[in-house]
Amino acid sequence: DAKTTQPPSMDCAEGRAANLPCNHSTISGNEYVYWYRQIHSQGPQYIIHGLKNNETNEMASLIITEDRKSSTLILPHATLRDTAVYYCIVPSGYSTLTFGKGTMLLVSP
Amino acid sequence: SQTIHQWPATLVQPVGSPLSLECTVEGTSNPNLYWYRQAAGRGLQLLFYSVGIGQISSEVPQNLSASRPQDRQFILSSKKLLLSDSGFYLCAWSTGSGANVLTFGAGSRLTVL
Repeated sequence: DAKTTQPPSMDCAEGRAANLPCNHSTISGNEYVYWYRQIHSQGPQYIIHGLKNNETNEMASLIITEDRKSSTLILPHATLRDTAVYYCIVPSGYSTLTFGKGTMLLVSP
Repeated sequence: SQTIHQWPATLVQPVGSPLSLECTVEGTSNPNLYWYRQAAGRGLQLLFYSVGIGQISSEVPQNLSASRPQDRQFILSSKKLLLSDSGFYLCAWSTGSGANVLTFGAGSRLTVL
């Protein structure tokens, strides 16, 4: 998998947008960026993925820079239930997903 | 809709005892199936994955084994548990075409004493 770099932790106030960055400077042209999150004591949950265009679904938005070397996951109105570890993953070819350490997002009242 | 079931949810086993964790998927056919483990305070480690009945790929050497006796059934086993086998075991599935969009089960928390 292409190497990804994420901050170990971030804080966000409830109701505000949470912007989670990820660097993936070695990404290849046909590799997608995937985001998952893991709430404490639960299994990871798929959030969103993208190749080069920005993507949005009911959970979040994914902004990928034009050079594709970094991306930002945006939770537009964070709630306390969004407190979780967020993983940015760039799998290579037919490889399986490798989960790194991710970013621990703490949403506070 | 598709669902994934994993059991038991929690178990406490003595060192040297056997282990069997079961995972089943409903509402889909020929899924890719995965076993991950998360040790306390650690990241997720892929243990096994399977793209079809009887086809198992092992990612790390250990005293664990996996089997896929039916299309939507995935079993994780051990003949003799070690203390280091303690952890949170997660089963997941994906379609062949969407192989990187995984749906995880609720997990099985194993404590080996």
